[in-house]
Amino acid sequence: DQQVKQNSPSLSVQEGRISILNCDYTNSMFDYFLWYKKYPAEGPTFLISISSIKDKNEDGRFTVFLNKSAKHLSLHIVPSQPGDSAVYFCAAKASSGAGSYQLTFGKGTKLSVIP
Amino acid sequence: EPEVTQTPSHQVTQMGQEVILRCVPISNHLYFYWYRQILGQKVEFLVSFYNNEISEKSEIFDDQFSVERPDGSNFTLKIRSTKLEDSAMYFCASSESFSLWNQPQHFGDGTRLSIL
Repeated sequence: DQQVKQNSPSLSVQEGRISILNCDYTNSMFDYFLWYKKYPAEGPTFLISISSIKDKNEDGRFTVFLNKSAKHLSLHIVPSQPGDSAVYFCAAKASSGAGSYQLTFGKGTKLSVIP
Repeated sequence: EPEVTQTPSHQVTQMGQEVILRCVPISNHLYFYWYRQILGQKVEFLVSFYNNEISEKSEIFDDQFSVERPDGSNFTLKIRSTKLEDSAMYFCASSESFSLWNQPQHFGDGTRLSIL
């Protein structure tokens, strides 16, 4: 049951360039989407989120884009820095109905930013 | 910055034994959660808790699991009779509000549970 899919297990990017991480979802009830970053031996750290009433949300170097018709979201990191090297998780949530308390996670994409 | 804290960081337990994992959520948060991540798999929701009762639970959260908020600061997950397949990283999370649905859940660093 893969309601949230991150099809790229890994991504390598040069320092200073743009990192684009992708996520697809299948559940039409999802209307709130989050990106988390995770370093080894630490818990997921909240990065940025977007609700379905928007198609873009920006916070510093991080921008999340949502394409509801394609059930696709992406996280852009510009410029990428070596400290951004981590596993990035996409997560989704419904705001009402069954399952509205829980986050559903993708498998994660390991980003490596090369100096 | 306020954070969710979890203890212990690593727990080793014999199969069949009871284990209690502890969490201190962020102080002004009202909603509390447990998730787990088996090695190599996704982070999976276990249970959410609000106002001293379970608000939602997954199929994983069977009768062997229970949660409690024994005082004003701690939130615990108990596994009564551990099985080998309970070996995983267990994450506690909290959020400020549910009614304001665009509130993120903030996670602790996890407890690695190893069942022997």
